[in-house]
Parts: sequence; C-alpha cells; structure tokens
Amino acid sequence: QKEVEQDPGPLSVPEGAIVSLNCTYSNSAFQYFMWYRQYSRKGPELLMYTYSSGNKEDGRFTAQVDKSSKYISLFIRDSQPSDSATYLCAMRRGKLIFGQGTELSVKP
Amino acid sequence: GAVVSQHPSWVICKSGTSVKIECRSLDFQATTMFWYRQFPKQSLMLMATSNEGSKATYEQGVEKDKFLINHASLTLSTLTVTSAHPEDSSFYICSASAGYDNRGGQPQHFGDGTRLSIL
Repeated sequence: QKEVEQDPGPLSVPEGAIVSLNCTYSNSAFQYFMWYRQYSRKGPELLMYTYSSGNKEDGRFTAQVDKSSKYISLFIRDSQPSDSATYLCAMRRGKLIFGQGTELSVKP
Repeated sequence: GAVVSQHPSWVICKSGTSVKIECRSLDFQATTMFWYRQFPKQSLMLMATSNEGSKATYEQGVEKDKFLINHASLTLSTLTVTSAHPEDSSFYICSASAGYDNRGGQPQHFGDGTRLSIL
C-alpha cells in the first residue's frame, strides 16, 4: 500500500464547475500538507500549504485537512481552462511524499 | 518570491557523456536542496537531499557515484549525471527550501525541470 493515495484521473469538468481533488494517507506521522499544480513539462508550483486540520482558503482554492480520517482535499471554485494541469498532493514526514497526481481538464 | 531557476531546460547528448544540471534559488537562501526524478504520468521520486556545505543524502537505490550532487553555496546546487546511458533519460527536477528538511515547516519550491535525453 502506498503511503499517499491519489486518484490519477483524468478528471474533466466544464468551465465554472467546482472541482474536488482528494488524497488519503496511511502514516499519522505526516505533519505538513501541500498541494502543487504542475503544467506539462514544468516543475510543480506550490498552491496551498497547511499544517493543522481544518480549512485554508486562498482565492478560488480551498485546502481541507482531516487528520482523524487521514484525508485531504483541494477545492477549486469557478474553474477555468487555465486550471487544466496535474494536481499533486504532498505530505512531509521529514522528506516530502507525493501522491501520483490527478490530471484535470477544464473545458471551455 | 521563492523563485527557483533550473538550467538547462532540455539537453540531448550521446551515451557515455556526463551532464551537469544547475539549480539556483534566486530570491532566498536555500539551506536545503532536493533532486527529484519524474517519469511520464508518474509522480516525483526523491533522489537525494543536500544541505549547504554537507554531503548529499541519497535515497535507497540511487547510485551516488552516478548522480553527483554538489551544494557549495546557499543559492546553487548541481546534479551531474556521469557516464549517462539511455536508461538515465528522464525529467529531473530540483527544489529548494529555506529550512532544514527534518525540522521546521519550510515549504519546497521547485524549478521547471530538465528534460534529459540520452541517445
């Protein structure tokens, strides 16, 4: 079993939809939780960075962490075609452990 | 802020040659730098972690004699793939953090990667 599980998709939504991306993890030692966005042939870009359980909002993005369920989510409101990318969840227990990434396509 | 520059972005070379990839933090001091490898449609796999002025720590299964890492300053780390072969072809990505990896909560910021193709 992988330490971090993420559905690879692909996920296709119409423009303006609310997108929900999720990861589960098995190791309760993870302390910091991140979401990265990666465009094709580019490096990952940090979107959200959280430590505790609860919600964190930044513009159209909301990150949610539920440590009791070992579950994290990223919500994207009013999705745009420019949001089309691969979204990677990542967690730290010393080193950074990445999920497989979910490929998102937002159709105009 | 937190910009990491990686160079070159793409390199093609013959089998047996050595290739050096540079990773620079442009607007912060990177106490720790990381090197990852990514295959198509797969996630990032950590190869090694380096703290400025110290020897790099390699992940299990990564040949340290093949992938030479130098982190001589707080803004520059280099990865040299020695005697590269076609199986070394991949997307190599560096990241940098202002904190030490095993303490504090400093996030990692990534470069745009280097696509290495060995013929």
